[in-house]
Amino acid sequence: GAGVSQSPRYKVAKRGQDVALRCDPISGHVSLFWYQQALGQGPEFLTYFQNEAQLDKSGLPSDRFFAERPEGSVSTLKIQRTQQEDSAVYLCASSLKLGNTIYFGEGSWLTVV
Amino acid sequence: AQSVTQLGSHVSVSEGALVLLRCNYSSSVPPYLFWYVQYPNQGLQLLLKYTTGATLVKGINGFEAEFKKSETSFHLTKPSAHMSDAAEYFCAVSDLSGGGNKLTFGTGTQLKVEL
Repeated sequence: GAGVSQSPRYKVAKRGQDVALRCDPISGHVSLFWYQQALGQGPEFLTYFQNEAQLDKSGLPSDRFFAERPEGSVSTLKIQRTQQEDSAVYLCASSLKLGNTIYFGEGSWLTVV
Repeated sequence: AQSVTQLGSHVSVSEGALVLLRCNYSSSVPPYLFWYVQYPNQGLQLLLKYTTGATLVKGINGFEAEFKKSETSFHLTKPSAHMSDAAEYFCAVSDLSGGGNKLTFGTGTQLKVEL
């Protein structure tokens, strides 16, 4: 596709439910990022991949958060046993390579009830 | 550690008036600086960026920003506001020395443009 594609766009989860958020980066982009944006806040870094290698996961808030990119293209962010504080927009972004412009997807809006 | 401070969570201007959105950063290494715009229910779109070289950077939609090292600032300006500029604007700083272009964002400034 022409841009970064994320699905689902909107997800309502019951507390304790597991969720999986998918990101399709721009074709050929080596670098992939996940950010979390709480209501009224700026995006906060979660994790970074270069191809299939997860090089930085320092922003993941707890061990309930897990991200993977097994074939170096599509990525999935998984949140286990969701809690209300996980409610946020999860933004995926990609860039051609390190240092290039980062392009963001429209985000997956997660609401935990 | 890097950080970004955006003064004014809400800014209101009249159509045709100057837009000035303030951004100050903190970085222990030479920073790369960015401004992103976010329209409702959409992702972030890059307006402009400073990496090296000329300190006055021009971006899309008539926006520009000037990197002032002595003031640790990267304020965003536009000479004449248009209704379509109403959106949320985020300043961000990046440090490539860590091996990735991880962005640290400010909390954003909501720009309102009035007739």
